[in-house]
Amino acid sequence: DGGITQSPKYLFRKEGQNVTLSCEQNLNHDAMYWYRQDPGQGLRLIYYSQIVNDFQKGDIAEGYSVSREKKESFPLTVTSAQKNPTAFYLCASSLGDRHNEQFFGPGTRLTVL
Amino acid sequence: AQSVTQLGSHVSVSEGALVLLRCNYSSSVPPYLFWYVQYPNQGLQLLLKYTTGATLVKGINGFEAEFKKSETSFHLTKPSAHMSDAAEYFCAVSEAGRDYKLSFGAGTTVTVRA
Repeated sequence: DGGITQSPKYLFRKEGQNVTLSCEQNLNHDAMYWYRQDPGQGLRLIYYSQIVNDFQKGDIAEGYSVSREKKESFPLTVTSAQKNPTAFYLCASSLGDRHNEQFFGPGTRLTVL
Repeated sequence: AQSVTQLGSHVSVSEGALVLLRCNYSSSVPPYLFWYVQYPNQGLQLLLKYTTGATLVKGINGFEAEFKKSETSFHLTKPSAHMSDAAEYFCAVSEAGRDYKLSFGAGTTVTVRA
């Protein structure tokens, strides 16, 4: 089945540690996105990538980093510089055209202890 | 820049009653509009989208939305609510320019009373 997978589902981290969230898609989509979701704030864009080896900052990129070495994969690293990392993180992908919807993964809930 | 406003962060309806979720957008170019649904601790699922053509768009699970350019609105409706409609709903607009990013509203949580 085609789709987007994110792992792990739940992640716990101690303050000061970096952590990497996985996102893989087998939809052959060119574009991939990372969002952060907090209660009452909708989804905020962290980073996005329209092509392999290229990515752009979204609205809240500070404290995060990404890579896009393969078309299928777009991992997100939450660094110790992110002041408030506890949130629900969603990965999405699309064909990269304006009228094409984004398909979402199941999300990763990160909790900083 | 695009922006999306969803009126009402919470909506409560009785089972069998009309569901109406409001979405207004601002855009300097013709927008592409989307409604997504999210169940607890899950990703978002597309309900419907408007790109061009017919302004009344039908989606999954009996939902539909009407694009009204003069009112800059894209309200979501369902004639008869089911218990399974309890979820959070997000309106989104596709940004102009080459990046094709989505801007999301803050979301509306729907509860359905038996």
